[in-house]
Amino acid sequence: AQSVTQLGSHVSVSEGALVLLRCNYSSSVPPYLFWYVQYPNQGLQLLLKYTSAATLVKGINGFEAEFKKSETSFHLTKPSAHMSDAAEYFCAVSERTAGANSKLTFGKGITLSVRP
Amino acid sequence: NAGVTQTPKFQVLKTGQSMTLQCAQDMNHEYMSWYRQDPGMGLRLIHYSVGAGITDQGEVPNGYNVSRSTTEDFPLRLLSAAPSQTSVYFCASSSDSLYAYYEQYFGPGTRLTVT
Repeated sequence: AQSVTQLGSHVSVSEGALVLLRCNYSSSVPPYLFWYVQYPNQGLQLLLKYTSAATLVKGINGFEAEFKKSETSFHLTKPSAHMSDAAEYFCAVSERTAGANSKLTFGKGITLSVRP
Repeated sequence: NAGVTQTPKFQVLKTGQSMTLQCAQDMNHEYMSWYRQDPGMGLRLIHYSVGAGITDQGEVPNGYNVSRSTTEDFPLRLLSAAPSQTSVYFCASSSDSLYAYYEQYFGPGTRLTVT
């Protein structure tokens, strides 16, 4: 069975500082990995996804994530935080289960706050 | 395109009442799903559908019912509301469920409170 672990529930950074949001996954088959962002009172939207091509994936708004199979990780980074990055971030894993359709499993989410 | 739309945005129910949360998409997506979001628990899959007339249970299906009579619509029914169903409900759609790497598109959510 697939699962996602996002350690901690809240990260606070200063504007201009590095953003690092951690995600570790468990999957019995090669996974597809996603980061979604949820701005206040909105639905989720895709930031980026890993689909077994390049291990370093670039997404929208300057975010990127690196797939590390040996560490079963898919951490999200951004070199310089902006106030508009304040949101909740979800890591998710998807795999095709035998005889069934794929399902997306989400982590618990991390709230990112950005201090002026 | 409007994308994925959900109605209502907010709803308050009394315990035991029933209601239907509406979801529609205009992207001709085959795959649609319902999630609930609770603090500290992420999103959990309630039910999903891989096409008109085909539905299946997700992780937390108890107390909910779905049907899919058209490609566009995927309503979620609460049969007898309970306080444990207080949550934010999201509908999502994707162009294909067989390939796990397709992006899911989410609606804006319905915030439900059961008293």
